[in-house]
Amino acid sequence: DQQVKQNSPSLSVQEGRISILNCDYTNSMFDYFLWYKKYPAEGPTFLISISSIKDKNEDGRFTVFLNKSAKHLSLHIVPSQPGDSAVYFCAASAGGGAQKLVFGQGTRLTINP
Amino acid sequence: KAGVTQTPRYLIKTRGQQVTLSCSPISGHRSVSWYQQTPGQGLQFLFEYFSETQRNKGNFPGRFSGRQFSNSRSEMNVSTLELGDSALYLCASSFFAPGELFFGEGSRLTVL
Repeated sequence: DQQVKQNSPSLSVQEGRISILNCDYTNSMFDYFLWYKKYPAEGPTFLISISSIKDKNEDGRFTVFLNKSAKHLSLHIVPSQPGDSAVYFCAASAGGGAQKLVFGQGTRLTINP
Repeated sequence: KAGVTQTPRYLIKTRGQQVTLSCSPISGHRSVSWYQQTPGQGLQFLFEYFSETQRNKGNFPGRFSGRQFSNSRSEMNVSTLELGDSALYLCASSFFAPGELFFGEGSRLTVL
């Protein structure tokens, strides 16, 4: 039972264009969502998060959108840079101060020069 | 500020053995979580400790256990190793923000 799904295993985008990574979830108890980036041989690095009381959160080139009715969130990267090439994980938690995160399977983003 | 430190980084064990992995969180962080990453299952939550108490546990068999010490350092132990336990084991610490975990580089375990 995969509660957080990233249906695209990979995505290839031209440098300078927009990268859009998608994530769907099934558990309506999730109230906090995060994106992590992972380079090979490194641990995941926190990128951006959003609470369920918001529908958008921006941080520089990164914007996360949340559509609660559709149980869908997306990460937009504009403009995409070669250093953005990595595996991106969507994660969700059910709050209460606990740190248990449920992760998606990840999407490998490749930015082409 | 030093990051999350995990030791050892790589290790090879044989079936039936046991293994202990260590994690030192970022200074001041009291919550430590453990995750298992495999190609087939992705990142899966093992357990979380806060102030030496296990607050959450994932769906793993009892062979997987952990503990946290008074200085917030944590260890996880896997007994009676199976081939399927081969994975990258990631430790993460956090201060208080829900879900904003800071991960270490992981301990890669290979079971032969």
